[in-house]
Amino acid sequence: NAGVMQNPRHLVRRRGQEARLRCSPMKGHSHVYWYRQLPEEGLKFMVYLQKENIIDESGMPKERFSAEFPKEGPSILRIQQVVRGDSAAYFCASSQPTGRVNEQFFGPGTRLTVL
Amino acid sequence: KQEVTQIPAALSVPEGENLVLNCSFTDSAIYNLQWFRQDPGKGLTSLLLIQSSQREQTSGRLNASLDKSSGRSTLYIAASQPGDSATYLCAVDSNYQLIWGAGTKLIIKP
Repeated sequence: NAGVMQNPRHLVRRRGQEARLRCSPMKGHSHVYWYRQLPEEGLKFMVYLQKENIIDESGMPKERFSAEFPKEGPSILRIQQVVRGDSAAYFCASSQPTGRVNEQFFGPGTRLTVL
Repeated sequence: KQEVTQIPAALSVPEGENLVLNCSFTDSAIYNLQWFRQDPGKGLTSLLLIQSSQREQTSGRLNASLDKSSGRSTLYIAASQPGDSATYLCAVDSNYQLIWGAGTKLIIKP
């Protein structure tokens, strides 16, 4: 039973380019979360999605960032016109809540470097 | 607004010692609390999850406790080993969104 998969593991982009980060949840999980870890900072929630729905995007920057979780295929975090401040580790987690128990399982992360 | 604090920020102990990592949170209305381990440049490994109705959870040499009313959790590591060296993160589930502490960087000296 494969865990949460993220690709690419490392991504290098020049300022102004687009970055697309992919996340495949664990088998049987329909809830996906994205978190960002800036250098020397803690993890911060970005967005929570279920299939074809954005449930909470309160942690997403207002501009340039978007996320989707289509009916088929992985969840995508898209960053348009990247800037140096976007350099960070982006982690995806998935869960299948049971009542109030919502254990989140994390992927290995995508480390984005903006030159 | 939920805030999570971890003390100490860093800890260095000789191999074999028992140790305690602390986590505190400001809002007791939580669903669960999770402890994670993060190795440098690597992902996050879930260690233990404590439901809000539980007082503690154990896995091998790890024991985590939760006192929701006082907003505190502790992670106890018995008989520490050099392989336990990592950053330990506490995260509070306040309605599906995890709120994170800054972590405790643990070094176990051989």
